[in-house]
Amino acid sequence: EAGVAQSPRYKIIEKRQSVAFWCNPISGHATLYWYQQILGQGPKLLIQFQNNGVVDDSQLPKDRFSAERLKGVDSTLKIQPAKLEDSAVYLCASSSTGWPETQYFGPGTRLLVL
Amino acid sequence: AQKITQTQPGMFVQEKEAVTLDCTYDTSDQSYGLFWYKQPSSGEMIFLIYQGSYDEQNATEGRYSLNFQKARKSANLVISASQLGDSAMYFCAMREGHRTGRRALTFGSGTRLQVQP
Repeated sequence: EAGVAQSPRYKIIEKRQSVAFWCNPISGHATLYWYQQILGQGPKLLIQFQNNGVVDDSQLPKDRFSAERLKGVDSTLKIQPAKLEDSAVYLCASSSTGWPETQYFGPGTRLLVL
Repeated sequence: AQKITQTQPGMFVQEKEAVTLDCTYDTSDQSYGLFWYKQPSSGEMIFLIYQGSYDEQNATEGRYSLNFQKARKSANLVISASQLGDSAMYFCAMREGHRTGRRALTFGSGTRLQVQP
């Protein structure tokens, strides 16, 4: 079974530029998550989708971050405009709806904002 | 107050020995789940083991076991017979029961484990 796929793996941009990340979850997983992991910290949830609907985006900085999952499968996360403090690893995870709904993570995208 | 506390920033263990990584949590929910993940230098979070709040027995998965002490709100990870490949960051995480469908994991700050030959 294929795992969670993410691209790109690395991205370097200048501040105020825009950037987009892509995630394809494990086949059949209805729930998809985007986490931000700043160096030296544990991941923090940005947004949770159930199929193509948003369940939790309470910690998403909506003035600059946006995410979509139009067909209930793959998802994109966008930052526009990027700030220096957005430098982090962006992790995508997915889970099935069956208990205990373990989240399986992709390899992440390392973003450096200069 | 932090919901997940990992007090050991770094740990060393000799190859083939057992090691315990500490995790304490704080929640007022009766229903919750505790997870441990391994993060090698490559960056991917690898799921290791899960313990539900209503599980009466400690979870085990191969060389990993979870020492769950509900009254103390602790969920320590025990790795037996350490291998060089176990060197990585280890994160404890909690998911609280949410009727709204929210399933966010709250992570601790992690423990870096180094296995020495």
